[in-house]
Amino acid sequence: GEDVEQSLFLSVREGDSSVINCTYTDSSSTYLYWYKQEPGAGLQLLTYIFSNMDMKQDQRLTVLLNKKDKHLSLRIADTQTGDSAIYFCAETPGNTGKLIFGQGTTLQVKP
Amino acid sequence: DAEITQSPRHKITETGRQVTLACHQTWNHNNMFWYRQDLGHGLRLIHYSYGVHDTNKGEVSDGYSVSRSNTEDLPLTLESAASSQTSVYFCASKGQGNTGELFFGEGSRLTVL
Repeated sequence: GEDVEQSLFLSVREGDSSVINCTYTDSSSTYLYWYKQEPGAGLQLLTYIFSNMDMKQDQRLTVLLNKKDKHLSLRIADTQTGDSAIYFCAETPGNTGKLIFGQGTTLQVKP
Repeated sequence: DAEITQSPRHKITETGRQVTLACHQTWNHNNMFWYRQDLGHGLRLIHYSYGVHDTNKGEVSDGYSVSRSNTEDLPLTLESAASSQTSVYFCASKGQGNTGELFFGEGSRLTVL
């Protein structure tokens, strides 16, 4: 089945690292995604990882993929107050082109 | 600049009324999607389309319909609005690019009284 699970809330202090975790079910997803949603706005693509990669780094963002456990994580280094948002992971089951999203993790960054 | 727009941004309606939410994109994308966002559920797929005259049901399609008469538009219709359909609705489109990135509209907040 198609199911993506995330924890709902994470609170960190400014300057700390944040790690947001996600588990997915469909091993045929070619890409796995992290989207960011700021208050009152739609989602925007933050980063993605190709399924044959274990890690992708993009400035302050590090994505780790464990295909065996179907586990995806997003690490934000030196978290800033501007990083406060809801973060969604998503899979593309059966490479059908549609994205299935998790519940979203609300990241709260305290000054 | 190409974009995706939704209208109305906010709507209040009564139970039993028909409601249509509009979605228009100027990227010439073939793939378009409607999601609803509810607290604790994240985004759930309602309907999607891979091109003109193509429509497909998502995981929460009951009570909703879509039509695709051209590339630019995918209107979402609630035939008989129910209070359970109070939600924020997002339209998205996707081209044929390798990464499959979705581009989202700003959302339409619907309240059914």
